[in-house]
Amino acid sequence: GAVVSQHPSRVICKSGTSVKIECRSLDFQATTMFWYRQFPKQSLMLMATSNEGSKATYEQGVEKDKFLINHASLTLSTLTVTSAHPEDSSFYICSAGSSTDTQYFGPGTRLTVL
Amino acid sequence: GQQLNQSPQSMFIQEGEDVSMNCTSSSIFNTWLWYKQEPGEGPVLLIALYKAGELTSNGRLTAQFGITRKDSFLNISASIPSDVGIYFCAGHARPGTASKLTFGTGTRLQVTL
Repeated sequence: GAVVSQHPSRVICKSGTSVKIECRSLDFQATTMFWYRQFPKQSLMLMATSNEGSKATYEQGVEKDKFLINHASLTLSTLTVTSAHPEDSSFYICSAGSSTDTQYFGPGTRLTVL
Repeated sequence: GQQLNQSPQSMFIQEGEDVSMNCTSSSIFNTWLWYKQEPGEGPVLLIALYKAGELTSNGRLTAQFGITRKDSFLNISASIPSDVGIYFCAGHARPGTASKLTFGTGTRLQVTL
């Protein structure tokens, strides 16, 4: 299957700071990228859908001013958690897809906000 | 957000046993997918199903897309210790593999020797 990478794999930050997470599709061009959040022992919950060159579409209940998404190219999308608080601590996972193939997931980023 | 109902929630089985899990929805899905997730990692695609009634195998794994398009099952035959993990079903409610996925609640599989 296709390869999707995420960076960093884990990050610890202080409350009130901002954290940027990168998602890259390494061997294909992803027209759409998705960002998920997963709390311990729970399923993946979609946060937003990101199309290259356009604004992201956020799911209900997800604050777009807090979770900034940029999808500047067909191989890179970034998620910035602004003014992070302890309740934002979670496992953030991206996926990348094209119109001709299913979605492939990145390895995830563990965010811990102190 | 919407979730698919997956059962059982967890399973403890002995090595060599067969495993069956299923996923149901109140609405129709166009595509069903089965993923496996291990601790601290992202989900890995196991099987993708694109047509109602489709039965697909991947090694010891077999999955079927229900004829009503509202359910799917995954079977694992002759389980081994490395089968341990969380299995998620997922589906595209809209046509197109680039549309958003809805995930099931997960089945946690433990395999004892």
